[in-house]
Amino acid sequence: KAGVTQTPRYLIKTRGQQVTLSCSPISGHRSVSWYQQTPGQGLQFLFEYFSETQRNKGNFPGRFSGRQFSNSRSEMNVSTLELGDSALYLCASSPTSGQGRLKTQYFGPGTRLLVL
Amino acid sequence: AQSVSQHNHHVILSEAASLELGCNYSYGGTVNLFWYVQYPGQHLQLLLKYFSGDPLVKGIKGFEAEFIKSKFSFNLRKPSVQWSDTAEYFCAVNINGNTGKLIFGQGTTLQVKP
Repeated sequence: KAGVTQTPRYLIKTRGQQVTLSCSPISGHRSVSWYQQTPGQGLQFLFEYFSETQRNKGNFPGRFSGRQFSNSRSEMNVSTLELGDSALYLCASSPTSGQGRLKTQYFGPGTRLLVL
Repeated sequence: AQSVSQHNHHVILSEAASLELGCNYSYGGTVNLFWYVQYPGQHLQLLLKYFSGDPLVKGIKGFEAEFIKSKFSFNLRKPSVQWSDTAEYFCAVNINGNTGKLIFGQGTTLQVKP
């Protein structure tokens, strides 16, 4: 099976702009989670989508949002970009049990966002 | 709030040395535990995981980890490291398995000298 894919891989934006990142999960995986990775804060959970519904959300401002489509592909959006949003944004997909319980998350290569 | 602590931030070893990376978490209920590795220029890869059963789990590339519930620990071990093990290692915890939220430790950078 193909792994988790993320587009674009690199992105440069300026403060105040908005950005949309895309994630295609492994075929059959219905759970998609997003993480922000920075040298100072490490890996931090942004949110998770399961069956097109946001199931959990981390401690990030409302400028960070996401959605999931019926084919499980997911997008995350960051509006009004700030310098501190420069980071590697990782997407992970996971198979789930019949009750929607998480199994193992598989990560994509990430999108490296630089905000100038 | 739940948290994960990795005791060693930067470890330097010579090839063939033994490795043990510490990981502790703060949560008293059911957890699923993971170790991920990030090789230079590559994405996060799963090394091993613990869901239930035998607390000693074996992963890829000769790594193993032991879950000690009483100590809230999940330490990673390898008896003999290789130069190719140079990477960053992350311990992660999932609470109850209900949602796709992994809580990560700060990571440990392992440098293996040839």
